Amino acid sequence: GAVVSQHPSRVICKSGTSVKIECRSLDFQATTMFWYRQFPKQSLMLMATSNEGSKATYEQGVEKDKFLINHASLTLSTLTVTSAHPEDSSFYICSARAVLETDTQYFGPGTRLTVL
Amino acid sequence: ILNVEQSPQSLHVQEGDSTNFTCSFPSSNFYALHWYRWETAKSPEALFVMTLNGDEKKKGRISATLNTKEGYSYLYIKGSQPEDSATYLCASHTGGFKTIFGAGTRLFVKA
Repeated sequence: GAVVSQHPSRVICKSGTSVKIECRSLDFQATTMFWYRQFPKQSLMLMATSNEGSKATYEQGVEKDKFLINHASLTLSTLTVTSAHPEDSSFYICSARAVLETDTQYFGPGTRLTVL
Repeated sequence: ILNVEQSPQSLHVQEGDSTNFTCSFPSSNFYALHWYRWETAKSPEALFVMTLNGDEKKKGRISATLNTKEGYSYLYIKGSQPEDSATYLCASHTGGFKTIFGAGTRLFVKA
């Protein structure tokens, strides 16, 4: 149980285009989903926390107009990188916290974004 | 310590060796410490969550200890196997419900 899928696993796009990444909890309901970004050899850095039905809370330094997060249902959150630039190239990974569980995060497999 | 730090960054061991690595975290406002195992091309998998000073958890050949007063946790692997090769992440969960991750220790077990 507690499987989180993420799609796509890899995307290559041209500079200026927008890319949408989906994060789904497959067998549980997730009140809270987290979006992380990881640069090579660095830690997972929290970008934003999204709660179902409300606006996401962004970490300091993360542009909310650049990284649009939607959490429309208890099983789906999306991250849209708008007008992507080469510096947005990174590994993006989501996690979900189940209803009634306050400690454990279940992670998706991540998305490798390359912006040319 | 303001960040979560893991050492070593990477580790190469022979099959059958026992090994351990360290996670250091801020001891103030501590709530919980998590260990995850992350194999290449897969999702990070939760191994342990520990909350109390002195906690010890065990799962098969893998165990972990926690010292919240000095802000460190050790992960031990007994008799390493090639399938143990992965990145081991620790994450500190603070009272403000923020989770801060370390950069991980990448373990390579050679057959």
